[in-house]
Amino acid sequence: DGGITQSPKYLFRKEGQNVTLSCEQNLNHDAMYWYRQDPGQGLRLIYYSQIVNDFQKGDIAEGYSVSREKKESFPLTVTSAQKNPTAFYLCASSISGRAPSHNNEQFFGPGTRLTVL
Amino acid sequence: QQQVKQSPQSLIVQKGGISIINCAYENTAFDYFPWYQQFPGKGPALLIAIRPDVSEKKEGRFTISFNKSAKQFSLHIMDSQPGDSATYFCAARAGTSYGKLTFGQGTILTVHP
Repeated sequence: DGGITQSPKYLFRKEGQNVTLSCEQNLNHDAMYWYRQDPGQGLRLIYYSQIVNDFQKGDIAEGYSVSREKKESFPLTVTSAQKNPTAFYLCASSISGRAPSHNNEQFFGPGTRLTVL
Repeated sequence: QQQVKQSPQSLIVQKGGISIINCAYENTAFDYFPWYQQFPGKGPALLIAIRPDVSEKKEGRFTISFNKSAKQFSLHIMDSQPGDSATYFCAARAGTSYGKLTFGQGTILTVHP
């Protein structure tokens, strides 16, 4: 059963703590993405990775970090430097980050809701 | 110039009616325009997409209309059903952006039975 899994579904964090959100895909996709969703603001790109061992900052990377050591995994760390981390976080993947094809659809995981207490 | 502006923010339609959501963009490098549907607590899923070489694309009850000169595109949902109640996002991608999508702000659609 192919797809993207994110864990945990809900995450609570105390102020000043770093937390890591998991994203795994078994679609054999090269490209992976992290988005943040806030009410009324759509989806904003945090980081993206076109290929293993490579990643780029998106539009709102401050306070976040990522790694891409394996093709199927793209974990996101929300650091204590992120001023307003409470949000719904979505991971996505696509066949390639290099092919600008209309067939290069992004598939999304079910999301992780992070709440800072 | 990278923004995609979406309207309305929320929309209420009676069952059987037509739902229309509009998006506008500035970046003429955008060459792929998908629409995503998201149910509460779930990730978005691709609904329908269009490239600017066509003015309309229809899949079942869902139609994208595209106006290249006006830099606008819209989603029409015919015969709207309560099961269509969800948040809809338009998006755009430039061919040089290596897969990065720019999303609109989203429209919360409610279809009353």
